[in-house]
Amino acid sequence: KAGVTQTPRYLIKTRGQQVTLSCSPISGHRSVSWYQQTPGQGLQFLFEYFSETQRNKGNFPGRFSGRQFSNSRSEMNVSTLELGDSALYLCASSLTRTSETQYFGPGTRLLVL
Amino acid sequence: KQEVTQIPAALSVPEGENLVLNCSFTDSAIYNLQWFRQDPGKGLTSLLLIQSSQREQTSGRLNASLDKSSGRSTLYIAASQPGDSATYLCAVIKTSGSRLTFGEGTQLTVNP
Repeated sequence: KAGVTQTPRYLIKTRGQQVTLSCSPISGHRSVSWYQQTPGQGLQFLFEYFSETQRNKGNFPGRFSGRQFSNSRSEMNVSTLELGDSALYLCASSLTRTSETQYFGPGTRLLVL
Repeated sequence: KQEVTQIPAALSVPEGENLVLNCSFTDSAIYNLQWFRQDPGKGLTSLLLIQSSQREQTSGRLNASLDKSSGRSTLYIAASQPGDSATYLCAVIKTSGSRLTFGEGTQLTVNP
């Protein structure tokens, strides 16, 4: 069974631009969560989607948004990029919202210049 | 607010040594706890999941324990190998749902 896939793997943008990242969960998994990882802040929760609905949101500004499609694939969007948005963005999937193991993708490395 | 702390931040051991990584959390009302490893520049690999009702889980050379009342978990690695070199992260979920709260990780180096 294929794991969680994320595209693109690397991205370079300039301040003020916007970016869309994609995540395809493991087949059959319906819950997708997004995390931001930076050297200073560690891993921080962005949001969680289940059945195309945002179920949980972390403490990030409104420039960060996401959505989930009927096939459980998810996208996150960051508008008006800032230098501090440079990070590794990780997506995780799990079968349901209950106490299941979460499986992470390889991440998208975003560099904002 | 749940806080997760991992000690030590870094650890260097010779190959073959048994070692223990520590994780503590401030709110004992957790749903489960999960241990991950992360290789440099890569995503997270799930190692072990411990449900709140469990005391420990084992997988190969890895054994994770959970003491909810004291807010602590340990990851025991037996007979360490250079391939075990990575950052080890613990994370807790407070309620049903997918929000993981992570510790800062322990960077492990196993020297040949």
